[in-house]
Amino acid sequence: QKEVEQNSGPLSVPEGAIASLNCTYSDRGSQSFFWYRQYSGKSPELIMFIYSNGDKEDGRFTAQLNKASQYVSLLIRDSQPSDSATYLCAVPIGDYKLSFGAGTTVTVRA
Amino acid sequence: DAGVTQSPTHLIKTRGQQVTLRCSPKSGHDTVSWYQQALGQGPQFIFQYYEEEERQRGNFPDRFSGHQFPNYSSELNVNALLLGDSALYLCASSPGGDGNLYEQYFGPGTRLTVT
Repeated sequence: QKEVEQNSGPLSVPEGAIASLNCTYSDRGSQSFFWYRQYSGKSPELIMFIYSNGDKEDGRFTAQLNKASQYVSLLIRDSQPSDSATYLCAVPIGDYKLSFGAGTTVTVRA
Repeated sequence: DAGVTQSPTHLIKTRGQQVTLRCSPKSGHDTVSWYQQALGQGPQFIFQYYEEEERQRGNFPDRFSGHQFPNYSSELNVNALLLGDSALYLCASSPGGDGNLYEQYFGPGTRLTVT
């Protein structure tokens, strides 16, 4: 079983719609969860982190965490063409290591 | 406030050669992690350095080694390069304190091509 799995893409959404990205993780002991955005040819950029069950909102981004189901998601509201990128879910495994999913590529159609 | 910096940006090496990549962490950060990202994959953890010591290592062979200097900058060395080592190598730094260990900020990366 992979440590972190993301729903396979690519995901194509029209401008103004909601993009929904999902991530599951294997380590029940994980306490914090991170979403990174990576534009083509660039390095990952931290956009959200969440520690507690429930929702966390930051601008047009909402992270949702359900520890019982070992599931974390990212919603992008009012999607813009500038949101077109690969989104990486990252979960700590052990004391210091961040384990990343393979990423979901999002394309926002104008 | 300078972010994480890495050098060089691109590098082309031949199989069997050795390479050294460099990283300077974000100001105020004392922990450096290195990742390898193959095309179409997420970053894979190589190791993390804190207080000039390697404190955790991922599933990478001993050909991959590193160092951290007193100013918190770090180097990644790869010996006996293989074609499969071709990837984007990312350095990430974290602020001090247990509560912030995982808030890692990435540098621009070094693109290594092995021919």
